Amino acid sequence: DAKTTQPPSMDCAEGRAANLPCNHSTISGNEYVYWYRQIHSQGPQYIIHGLKNNETNEMASLIITEDRKSSTLILPHATLRDTAVYYCIVRVDFNDYKLSFGAGTTVTVRA
Amino acid sequence: EAQVTQNPRYLITVTGKKLTVTCSQNMNHEYMSWYRQDPGLGLRQIYYSMNVEVTDKGDVPEGYKVSRKEKRNFPLILESPSPNQTSLYFCASSLTPGRLYNEQFFGPGTRLTVL
Repeated sequence: DAKTTQPPSMDCAEGRAANLPCNHSTISGNEYVYWYRQIHSQGPQYIIHGLKNNETNEMASLIITEDRKSSTLILPHATLRDTAVYYCIVRVDFNDYKLSFGAGTTVTVRA
Repeated sequence: EAQVTQNPRYLITVTGKKLTVTCSQNMNHEYMSWYRQDPGLGLRQIYYSMNVEVTDKGDVPEGYKVSRKEKRNFPLILESPSPNQTSLYFCASSLTPGRLYNEQFFGPGTRLTVL
């Protein structure tokens, strides 16, 4: 799997958008970008995934650059409950179901 | 409600005393997996199962056993626990290969302390 690089931490004001960057410069053409989050010692939770098009669901938006070397997860209106560790994971979809979690970004939403 | 359940949620035991952590999912998922999470090491896969009676080692299988006799259950067995198996354990499940994407559902975690 392609390695990902994320900032170790970031703060966000409640109600504002949180933009979480992820660098995956060695990504290959058939590798998807997944985002999960883990709220304090709970089980990780799937957020969103994408291949090359931008994606949006009820939780977040995923913006993938045209060259696919980086992406940004956007939480449009961050709440205190969004405080968590966010993991960007890149993997080939069909061959291996293991998720390789890195250190992630610790996001703290402040009132 | 679709979910992955684990029991117990918390366990303190002593070295060498066999224990089993149960995992069950109600989503008819074929794939199930166990991870452990340790500070500074992130989540690491212990074992996984692609279907009933099909299991394979993950990254850190030493000291663990699993079985998959039914689709919904995937217990993690520690035959002779040691202090270095003190960790937070997560079970996860998902659908089979061939889907466009693979969302894994995680259980709430089991915090194990081996004295």
